[in-house]
Amino acid sequence: GAVVSQHPSWVICKSGTSVKIECRSLDFQATTMFWYRQFPKQSLMLMATSNEGSKATYEQGVEKDKFLINHASLTLSTLTVTSAHPEDSSFYICSARETGANSPLHFGNGTRLTVT
Amino acid sequence: DAKTTQPTSMDCAEGRAANLPCNHSTISGNEYVYWYRQIHSQGPQYIIHGLKNNETNEMASLIITEDRKSSTLILPHATLRDTAVYYCIVRSRIYNQGGKLIFGQGTELSVKP
Repeated sequence: GAVVSQHPSWVICKSGTSVKIECRSLDFQATTMFWYRQFPKQSLMLMATSNEGSKATYEQGVEKDKFLINHASLTLSTLTVTSAHPEDSSFYICSARETGANSPLHFGNGTRLTVT
Repeated sequence: DAKTTQPTSMDCAEGRAANLPCNHSTISGNEYVYWYRQIHSQGPQYIIHGLKNNETNEMASLIITEDRKSSTLILPHATLRDTAVYYCIVRSRIYNQGGKLIFGQGTELSVKP
């Protein structure tokens, strides 16, 4: 089945630094990838839609200058949390869609970010 | 995307069938019903999806009512490893509408020995 790899699985960084999270589709090409954030005991919240070769579309309330998304190839999207603060500590999850209107989304295993 | 309503939590005995209901009374003709589950501290896992016919795969069965306003996910023989949060999501079938999934609160299923 389709596999989405996310790296790193966890990261600890100091306040004010930036962190990059990678999301790769391993055995399929993904023209569209999605980034989610999940706080403890809450559901997944969609942050942005990433389309290969174009600018990401951010959901309302998500700061595009803080959460930089790059989707430079059909198998890789990156999320950079810039100038991270403790309130950015969360579980970040990416997903990718195979070509085909009704293909399911496949999810990575998430990245646990802790900002100290 | 249409909203869904699911019970907050359910219990199921190991080896028995787990029947998870979902209400999606405002679903449109352009929307599929998708089911995902999330085991603690992992990414969501795709289970099954359907439009109007019942569907079955190696993981589960999906029963959609004739009016499409509700559905039931059936895990035929639940195991302890099926303990997870189960999400019922409706998603547009129109490709250029992006295909994003909007998650609700889901049902926390606890399978007990």
